[in-house]
Amino acid sequence: DQQVKQNSPSLSVQEGRISILNCDYTNSMFDYFLWYKKYPAEGPTFLISISSIKDKNEDGRFTVFLNKSAKHLSLHIVPSQPGDSAVYFCAASSNSGYALNFGKGTSLLVTP
Amino acid sequence: NAGVTQTPKFQVLKTGQSMTLQCAQDMNHNSMYWYRQDPGMGLRLIYYSASEGTTDKGEVPNGYNVSRLNKREFSLRLESAAPSQTSVYFCASSDNYIQYFGAGTRLSVL
Repeated sequence: DQQVKQNSPSLSVQEGRISILNCDYTNSMFDYFLWYKKYPAEGPTFLISISSIKDKNEDGRFTVFLNKSAKHLSLHIVPSQPGDSAVYFCAASSNSGYALNFGKGTSLLVTP
Repeated sequence: NAGVTQTPKFQVLKTGQSMTLQCAQDMNHNSMYWYRQDPGMGLRLIYYSASEGTTDKGEVPNGYNVSRLNKREFSLRLESAAPSQTSVYFCASSDNYIQYFGAGTRLSVL
C-alpha cells in the first residue's frame, strides 16, 4: 500500500515561473519529509527536507510547505530554470528508523 | 569525495544466474540501504543495515540476500536471477534522515 503519493506524473512549466509539486501521505507516524531530485542515469540527490514540527522550510529557490492536518506537502521552485528539469521524489520517514518511503515521482519539464 | 560507489554500473544476466552488487561509502555512515526502482515506480526498499553487523528486510526482500561486510560496504546478492528482478538498483547510506545515493546499477535479466 502506497503510503506516499505523488498524483501528478508530470508537470510542464515555463522558465521563470513557479513550479509546484505536490505530495500526500497516509501514515500519521511520519515525522520527517524529504524531496529528492533525479536526473536520468544518476542516483537521487537530496534537495530539501522538513520536520513535522515545522510548516515551512526554505533554501534558496526551493521551499517546502507541510500541512499536517491535510497530510500534504508541496515543493515550490521559484523561479524555475531549465536545469530544474528532472524527476522529483517525495519521501517520508518515521521516528522508528531512517528507512524512507518514496512516492512514484513527478517529472518536471521547464521550458525556455 | 566519492560518496557512495556502486559496481557494476550495468549487468546482463540469464535467468538462474547469480551475481553480487557491490556498494561502498566513504562518509563513515552507520546505516546503509538497497532500493530498486522500476518504471513508473518510486524507490522500494529491499534490505537495510542500521549498523555494522545488522541487516533487516525492507518492502521487497524476496529473491535477495545482503551482507554488511564492514562499516563501509553493503552488498546485495541475487542467488538465482529472475526476469522480475530486471530493475535499477540503488545503494544509499545515512547517519540521519538524509540518505545519500549511489549512481545505480542497471540490471537486465533475460
